[in-house]
Amino acid sequence: GAVVSQHPSWVICKSGTSVKIECRSLDFQATTMFWYRQFPKQSLMLMATSNEGSKATYEQGVEKDKFLINHASLTLSTLTVTSAHPEDSSFYICSARRGQGNNQPQHFGDGTRLSIL
Amino acid sequence: AQKVTQAQTEISVVEKEDVTLDCVYETRDTTYYLFWYKQPPSGELVFLIRRNSFDEQNEISGRYSWNFQKSTSSFNFTITASQVVDSAVYFCALSEAFYGGATNKLIFGTGTLLAVQP
Repeated sequence: GAVVSQHPSWVICKSGTSVKIECRSLDFQATTMFWYRQFPKQSLMLMATSNEGSKATYEQGVEKDKFLINHASLTLSTLTVTSAHPEDSSFYICSARRGQGNNQPQHFGDGTRLSIL
Repeated sequence: AQKVTQAQTEISVVEKEDVTLDCVYETRDTTYYLFWYKQPPSGELVFLIRRNSFDEQNEISGRYSWNFQKSTSSFNFTITASQVVDSAVYFCALSEAFYGGATNKLIFGTGTLLAVQP
């Protein structure tokens, strides 16, 4: 089946550091990837939709200058948390969808646990 | 507006019991898709099933079965003879149809934590 790889799986860093998270679709081309944030014991909240070759579409309330998304190829999207602070600590999950239709399931990466000290 | 409600926050059962996870959705669209995902303690989300709004046939896959009822806007998930490995958070999700070039979102419910005790 489809596989989505997310790296790193765990990051601990100091406040003020910028952190880059990679999301790769390993066996299919993904024109659309999604970035989610999940707080403990809560649901997934969509942060942005990443489209290959164009600007990401951010959800209301998500700072685009804080969470930089780049989707440079059909198999790779990156999320950079700039100047991270403790309140940015969370579980970040990416997903990739094969094809354009919303009937296609999103396949998720393993997530990245980000802890900002 | 789209909304997915999973009223059961946590369910605890003993191994071999059957358990049903409820999912109720709201949408104004006539064409939409429903999904169930499993999130084990390790964190990754595992796709379980997709159902489109025109297919109300119930589905069975091994110990898993799904009951889709448009009349009550529900898409419930039953695990038969539960096992400890079934312990996870289960999310129900909704996506509307793809129209006019828009990429519509996947709206998640709040999840149900299932704990299967040995």
